[in-house]
Amino acid sequence: ETGVTQTPRHLVMGMTNKKSLKCEQHLGHNAMYWYKQSAKKPLELMFVYNFKEQTENNSVPSRFSPECPNSSHLFLHLHTLQPEDSALYLCASSQDLDRGLQPQHFGDGTRLSIL
Amino acid sequence: GQNIDQPTEMTATEGAIVQINCTYQTSGFNGLFWYQQHAGEAPTFLSYNVLDGLEEKGRFSSFLSRSKGYSYLLLKELQMKDSASYLCAVMDSNYQLIWGAGTKLIIKP
Repeated sequence: ETGVTQTPRHLVMGMTNKKSLKCEQHLGHNAMYWYKQSAKKPLELMFVYNFKEQTENNSVPSRFSPECPNSSHLFLHLHTLQPEDSALYLCASSQDLDRGLQPQHFGDGTRLSIL
Repeated sequence: GQNIDQPTEMTATEGAIVQINCTYQTSGFNGLFWYQQHAGEAPTFLSYNVLDGLEEKGRFSSFLSRSKGYSYLLLKELQMKDSASYLCAVMDSNYQLIWGAGTKLIIKP
C-alpha cells in the first residue's frame, strides 16, 4: 500500500470512446503527477500539479486532459485516443515541488489498451 | 539532451550479489534516485544520493560519483523476491526527474 490509489486498474477502449482515469492520494502531499510508461522506455512525465495548479505540460496531445479538483485527487480524461497511447499510466505524488529529497510515491497504474 | 543509461536486463543467482549501473548526462544535478518496480505494481522508492559515496540500507546500497556521472545499486544476499525492474532517475536543475528505461533483474535459484 503506497498511499496512492488508481482506478481502474485495467481499461480497454475504442478510439472513439471517452473515459477517465482517477487517482487519489492519502499522504497529505501537495504535488501530483501523471506519467506514461511504455515497455522498455523511460517514464514519460505528462502533467504536474502543485497545490491544484498545473505547473507542467510536457507537450502532451490535447486528447489527454488532466483535472485536479483538490490536492488529493487527480483525473486524466481521455478521448479519441490512438493505438500508440496503449501503455501503463502512473499517478504519483510528492510532498512539494522544487525540493531535493522528495521521493515520489506511485500508484499501481492503469493498464490502458486502445483497440 | 538529457540521458540516463542502464542495462536492459541482468540475471543473477539467489544468494549472490549484483551491481546495477546507471550513467547520466543531465542539465544540472539535484540528486539521484533508485526505485524498484515489480511487474504490474507501483514503482517504490529505494534510495537517494546527492553527495558522492555509498549509502547503505540493509541488503541494498547505492553509490554516486558526480564527477563521473555514475551510480550503481548493489543488492546483496539476493532473494527471489528481488526479481523486479530497477529504475534510475536523476533530478535536474529544474527539480524534474529524468528517468532511465529500467533494468529488469532476473533471479535464478
